[in-house]
Amino acid sequence: EVQLVESGGGLVQPGGSLRLSCAASGFTFSSHDMHWVRQAPGKGLEWVSVIRSTGDPYYPGSVKGRFTISRENAKNSLYLQMNSLRADDTAVYYCTRATRGFDYWGQGTLVTVSS
Amino acid sequence: QSALTQPASVSGSPGQSITISCTGTSSDVGAYNYVSWYQQHPGKAPKLMIYDVSNRPSGVSNRFSGSKSGSTASLTISGLQAEDEAHYYCISYTSSNTWVFGGGTKLTVL
Repeated sequence: EVQLVESGGGLVQPGGSLRLSCAASGFTFSSHDMHWVRQAPGKGLEWVSVIRSTGDPYYPGSVKGRFTISRENAKNSLYLQMNSLRADDTAVYYCTRATRGFDYWGQGTLVTVSS
Repeated sequence: QSALTQPASVSGSPGQSITISCTGTSSDVGAYNYVSWYQQHPGKAPKLMIYDVSNRPSGVSNRFSGSKSGSTASLTISGLQAEDEAHYYCISYTSSNTWVFGGGTKLTVL
């Protein structure tokens, strides 16, 4: 059974940093592109980043230069290092597996940026 | 990269059909057949309903179908049921090697 479990969310002050983790199981993690998607309270979904199975990362302009996605295939783990956090980064962060579409999602972890 | 354009809300009665549009540009929806659709109920993670414009994952009802014309993709739900009431989001791959979501559409089953 495919499972994705996010962790690492919490309350952080503006300008602070946080590292999210996503533990994957039930599939060959190294073979898949993995994404982070976030959802601000009461808002829609926003794509945050992807790391290809090759290790290549990509980001939208809203987080480029502040967020870094990485993966550790030996540990079946995906990470998101978030620096220079702002109030508008407050959201539930989901990790999701890309096969044909984003076919499996974690339950999400809440990040709150507030003083 | 601007968000894809979806109607904020659509509604229909049980048994009817509805269509949700997702309009992008020649750099995203119009350029690739990598459009997928997601259903999200309150407090839940999104669920994949359609991938690669018109393909249905195993386990998704055949009442859900997808299509694309030019830079506009569409999700059609036929035989509306109460449990279809949810938010629906489209997403497309872009020429910048990034992905962009639509703003989301709230479907109300009357």
